[in-house]
Amino acid sequence: KNEVEQSPQNLTAQEGEFITINCSYSVGISALHWLQQHPGGGIVSLFMLSSGKKKHGRLIATINIQEKHSSLHITASHPRDSAVYICAVVMYSGGGADGLTFGKGTHLIIQP
Amino acid sequence: NAGVMQNPRHLVRRRGQEARLRCSPMKGHSHVYWYRQLPEEGLKFMVYLQKENIIDESGMPKERFSAEFPKEGPSILRIQQVVRGDSAAYFCASSLAGALRTGELFFGEGSRLTVL
Repeated sequence: KNEVEQSPQNLTAQEGEFITINCSYSVGISALHWLQQHPGGGIVSLFMLSSGKKKHGRLIATINIQEKHSSLHITASHPRDSAVYICAVVMYSGGGADGLTFGKGTHLIIQP
Repeated sequence: NAGVMQNPRHLVRRRGQEARLRCSPMKGHSHVYWYRQLPEEGLKFMVYLQKENIIDESGMPKERFSAEFPKEGPSILRIQQVVRGDSAAYFCASSLAGALRTGELFFGEGSRLTVL
């Protein structure tokens, strides 16, 4: 079982719909990142969370540390939001690895 | 302020050749991370470096792979005697000192290695 699970794996929606992507993890973490990757392109960091909720434009990210769960929401979705959304956690490591553990990503397609 | 710069963006090598991937972090960032994305798989941590130091290489394959981040110049990920299974996208990210747990992470555009 992966330490970071995302759902759904694939999501196709119509322009304007409200989108929710979920991320669950099974280990203690100090932070969680949401990343966006366009096909053949680079990776952009959208949010870094350690508690609560953050909002940037039409994107909202929430995290519940007790339930080991985070969600990424997109309001008024647009075709340009089509991308792979990746959840990544920074595990408590006591001075060891400072890298990220990634989910496999959610492939989002927004149709006009 | 230029972002994280990776080159080459695309690299084709034949089996047995060497691949060198370069990463220049954002200005002022002294922490560099390398990740590998295999086709149809998620990103995997490879190595975490600071200037002239390897902090954690627990994600690096034991053989053929090495990384460095010299005092001057970019970080380099080196793959010797490449095999077809090394074909992947290799991403570099940088952060401010000690900021991975508290700050934003900046990624490069990636270097896509194809081994023939």
